Amino acid sequence: AQSVTQLDSQVPVFEEAPVELRCNYSSSVSVYLFWYVQYPNQGLQLLLKYLSGSTLVKGINGFEAEFNKSQTSFHLRKPSVHISDTAEYFCAVIPNSGYSTLTFGKGTMLLVSP
Amino acid sequence: DVKVTQSSRYLVKRTGEKVFLECVQDMDHENMFWYRQDPGLGLRLIYFSYDVKMKEKGDIPEGYSVSREKKERFSLILESASTNQTSMYLCASNLLGATDTQYFGPGTRLTVL
Repeated sequence: AQSVTQLDSQVPVFEEAPVELRCNYSSSVSVYLFWYVQYPNQGLQLLLKYLSGSTLVKGINGFEAEFNKSQTSFHLRKPSVHISDTAEYFCAVIPNSGYSTLTFGKGTMLLVSP
Repeated sequence: DVKVTQSSRYLVKRTGEKVFLECVQDMDHENMFWYRQDPGLGLRLIYFSYDVKMKEKGDIPEGYSVSREKKERFSLILESASTNQTSMYLCASNLLGATDTQYFGPGTRLTVL
């Protein structure tokens, strides 16, 4: 079984500041990793995903994430946030073989203020 | 663009009522999912379906059932709603494969009084 830990339930930042949202996972098998974003009153949408290859993955809206296998982490970063980035962010994993389903973390609420 | 629609954005029901939540996707996806989202708990999988008339239990199936009679439609049924089923319900779909992005509907906020 897999588990995902998002260490921060809320991250408050000022506009134009950098931000890092942390995600650690536990799995006995290799996994694919995802970050989803949920804007207020909307469903989730994919921000980025790591399947293989380069450990630095770029996503939409200027976000990027780095896969670190030794630390079992997949932290999300943005060098300069905007008010419009205020949303809830979910990290998720799925085994890369066999048939399984996504396991989501509990989410991190990013609060960007002027 | 993939579109996943859910029949209601907000729903208020009484304890003991039978509740149907409908989800429709327009991209011929094989897989469909029902999640429940609660503050501090993230998303938890209730049921999923990988083909018409096929269903699999997720992590929290108790108190729920599902129906998939057509490929594009996946229904979540609360046989006898209870107050602890007050929650946000999210439907999603994707192609068959672990690498495939899940596409989510806007959610149905269900309140059971």
